[in-house]
Amino acid sequence: DTGVSQDPRHKITKRGQNVTFRCDPISEHNRLYWYRQTLGQGPEFLTYFQNEAQLEKSRLLSDRFSAERPKGSFSTLEIQRTEQGDSAMYLCASSDERTGYEQYFGPGTRLTVT
Amino acid sequence: SQQGEEDPQALSIQEGENATMNCSYKTSINNLQWYRQNSGRGLVHLILIRSNEREKHSGRLRVTLDTSKKSSSLLITASRAADTASYFCASNAGGTSYGKLTFGQGTILTVHP
Repeated sequence: DTGVSQDPRHKITKRGQNVTFRCDPISEHNRLYWYRQTLGQGPEFLTYFQNEAQLEKSRLLSDRFSAERPKGSFSTLEIQRTEQGDSAMYLCASSDERTGYEQYFGPGTRLTVT
Repeated sequence: SQQGEEDPQALSIQEGENATMNCSYKTSINNLQWYRQNSGRGLVHLILIRSNEREKHSGRLRVTLDTSKKSSSLLITASRAADTASYFCASNAGGTSYGKLTFGQGTILTVHP
């Protein structure tokens, strides 16, 4: 399967710990997005990369959150000093600007902060 | 919240019936997309309609767009139990927000066999 993959699928951590999630986009896609989704809500945009450049960040992305996409391939999303309010599903998506606007989503990483 | 609204929040129908769900958004758009989400396959793109289009079809799906009212609707005809999922509209503003999707809160569709 050559879809978007995310690792880990589930993460349980204690408040105050740091966590890092990884996303591997579809290989030919140059655009990569991170979203956060809480129960009963639609996904909320966090940040967006075109190749290795981070072009847009949401106000939701506080200074405890950082995202990288070295070499324009996989991406990591790190949350420092986690809080209970960070508990959510973190979704990664990718797209190819040459072929269209539709985004292809990974299965998500479910974070639980205890 | 920056999210749009979807209506209804939940819809329960029998197999073979049609399902209509509506979406409103807040800003001008380049395109509007519909996605389906279920536990088995995550978020899957269904259909995209551009701001200069009024209606689009794909298989059993029909999408309409009214930019004057900032609203869209998704019709699923001859529904099947496998259509049971949450459906989200997502607006794309284009321009400097080229990549960003703003999702609605979703409609939970249940199709009974």
